[in-house]
Amino acid sequence: GQSLEQPSEVTAVEGAIVQINCTYQTSGFYGLSWYQQHDGGAPTFLSYNALDGLEETGRFSSFLSRSDSYGYLLLQELQMKDSASYFCAGDSNYQLIWGAGTKLIIKP
Amino acid sequence: NAGVTQTPKFQVLKTGQSMTLQCAQDMNHNSMYWYRQDPGMGLRLIYYSASEGTTDKGEVPNGYNVSRLNKREFSLRLESAAPSQTSVYFCASSERWTEKNIQYFGAGTRLSVL
Repeated sequence: GQSLEQPSEVTAVEGAIVQINCTYQTSGFYGLSWYQQHDGGAPTFLSYNALDGLEETGRFSSFLSRSDSYGYLLLQELQMKDSASYFCAGDSNYQLIWGAGTKLIIKP
Repeated sequence: NAGVTQTPKFQVLKTGQSMTLQCAQDMNHNSMYWYRQDPGMGLRLIYYSASEGTTDKGEVPNGYNVSRLNKREFSLRLESAAPSQTSVYFCASSERWTEKNIQYFGAGTRLSVL
C-alpha cells in the first residue's frame, strides 16, 4: 500500500531552524507536497517537489530524494505564527496520499 | 477571489438524519475532493471527482454519496448520519491536468452527530 510517515510533534525555539521529515512507501508518486494547517483552519499549500533536490520559497524549503523515499520541510527564522500542523502528501495521480501531520510547537 | 466555498460552516444532526454539504469553486478546476479530518489526525479522502461527470471512491466512502453537479459544484450527502461521522469535512479542488496536483481547500464544515 501507500503510506507516509512523519513525526507527530516537533518543538523549536523562535528564530531557530527546524526540519520536519517525511518517509514514504509507495508504488510511485508524481511528487511530494507540503501543506500547513493552523488550529481550526484549512490546509494551505506550501511547496511541491516533482524532482529530487531542494525547492526554496522564502523562509520555507522542501527536499525530495526518490531513491531514499524521503523528503523534508525546512523552516528557517521561525516565527510564532509558524506554530501549526504540517502535512506531507504524495501525489498519486488524481489523489493525494496524506501523512498524519506534524504539530510544530514554537517556544519564545 | 472566493476560491473554494463550503456551506454550511457548522451543523448539528441527530442520528439518522440526512444532510447535504455543498461545495463550489470558482477557479475552473477539473478535479474536486471531499475529505474528513478527525481530531489530531490527517485527512482521509471520502470521494473525489477527477473531472465533470466522474466520481470515484476514496479511502472512507461508506455512509456517504456525492454528486458532481457541474464543473463548479461537488456535493457530499449523508443519508443516515451516525455519531462516527462527527468530524470536520473539507472540500478541495485542483487542476490535475498540469504537472502538480496542488489542492485548494474550503474553510471546512464542522459536523456533530448526536
